[in-house]
Amino acid sequence: QVQLVQSGAEVKKPGASVKVSCKASGYTFTGYYMHWVRQAPGQGLEWMGRINPNSGGTNYAQKFQGRVTMTRDTSISTAYMELSRLRSDDTAVYYCASPRSGWYYYWGQGTLVTVSS
Amino acid sequence: EIVLTQSPATLSLSPGERATLSCRASQSVSSYLAWYQQKPGQAPRLLIYDASNRATGIPARFSGSGSGTDFTLTISSLEPEDFAVYYCQQRSNWPPDTFGQGTKLEIK
Repeated sequence: QVQLVQSGAEVKKPGASVKVSCKASGYTFTGYYMHWVRQAPGQGLEWMGRINPNSGGTNYAQKFQGRVTMTRDTSISTAYMELSRLRSDDTAVYYCASPRSGWYYYWGQGTLVTVSS
Repeated sequence: EIVLTQSPATLSLSPGERATLSCRASQSVSSYLAWYQQKPGQAPRLLIYDASNRATGIPARFSGSGSGTDFTLTISSLEPEDFAVYYCQQRSNWPPDTFGQGTKLEIK
């Protein structure tokens, strides 16, 4: 069965960077884009961007351009999302999501990133 | 960017009742709309895609309708496990994907 397993919770200081991983199993990793979506405490869902695991090509939401970098390691079927210059309003749960037919069928369990001095 | 507006923000109903949730788009998204259910501490779960198609394993009491700018998620007879937050999402005008702000379905 398809599984997306994310790395554990992180606590970072303002200005630092965080890198979250998402390990995929149960399907061909290079066959489907991997998206990243975040959710601030008590808030809605916000799309951050996506990576093509086959080519490494990326598309980022304008809001995060210049601060987010999405990469992948096909040898271990893992996608990564790195967010730099963290601010307190980056405190959120970060999800990886793998679409089927264009919709987010499979989700990771989420990674809580807390930004606090 | 297309804005999705969900209503009501909170819906208070009892088990066995019918729930009707609305999602309105700021411009037409054709049928490129999905509904997700999210319970506390969990990732969202896809319920409905392409406005009216149930995802695999989703009970028949969940149905979606609409096209263009106005969409509805209907739960025909609420079960205790249906009380959660529901989000709509569009992918017509991409990037970005956008989500509504959510409707909280709570037990009355």
